[in-house]
Amino acid sequence: DTGVSQNPRHKITKRGQNVTFRCDPISEHNRLYWYRQTLGQGPEFLTYFQNEAQLEKSRLLSDRFSAERPKGSFSTLEIQRTEQGDSAMYLCASSLHSPAGSVRGYTFGSGTRLTVV
Amino acid sequence: DQQVKQNSPSLSVQEGRISILNCDYTNSMFDYFLWYKKYPAEGPTFLISISSIKDKNEDGRFTVFLNKSAKHLSLHIVPSQPGDSAVYFCAASAGQFYFGTGTSLTVIP
Repeated sequence: DTGVSQNPRHKITKRGQNVTFRCDPISEHNRLYWYRQTLGQGPEFLTYFQNEAQLEKSRLLSDRFSAERPKGSFSTLEIQRTEQGDSAMYLCASSLHSPAGSVRGYTFGSGTRLTVV
Repeated sequence: DQQVKQNSPSLSVQEGRISILNCDYTNSMFDYFLWYKKYPAEGPTFLISISSIKDKNEDGRFTVFLNKSAKHLSLHIVPSQPGDSAVYFCAASAGQFYFGTGTSLTVIP
């Protein structure tokens, strides 16, 4: 399977706990994106990486959220002190972005569904 | 601030007819556009893309049209099939991607 892999598929946690999600992108892709999607909405951008560099963060990414891509391969998204409003599907995507600006192979993972109780 | 808008939350089409899904955007800096299909409990699946230097891109039954002056994007599916029933998202990029809220397409056999 050479697609984008996300783990776990589902996570139920108590309010106030910390959670960490993992995303393994397509190996030759240099960009990795995190999105959050709630019911009836399109994916909302959270942050993205070009290799290991975090290039942009959305205002949705409060201080409780942090993302890393330490070696430019897999990425983790951590949410500290979870709140019920954090319940959503967290999607990862990756792409191959050329210096000329073309984008190839923009592929989503199946997502991690977080439920905060 | 919704930079990409899909104003029709749902659309029903008879099998074999054309489905037209529409998308409007506000940022003239967007230079790359995507359409995705999403089934319940799955991640979005890429359908077709178009860069701002083109006004049309075709892939089998799917054609995307871009009208830059109107800041309008559309996806045509011809002929529509029941398996096309899903939620369709358009997305636009000037670096990172902005998504519309989706249009739920139902193709009636």
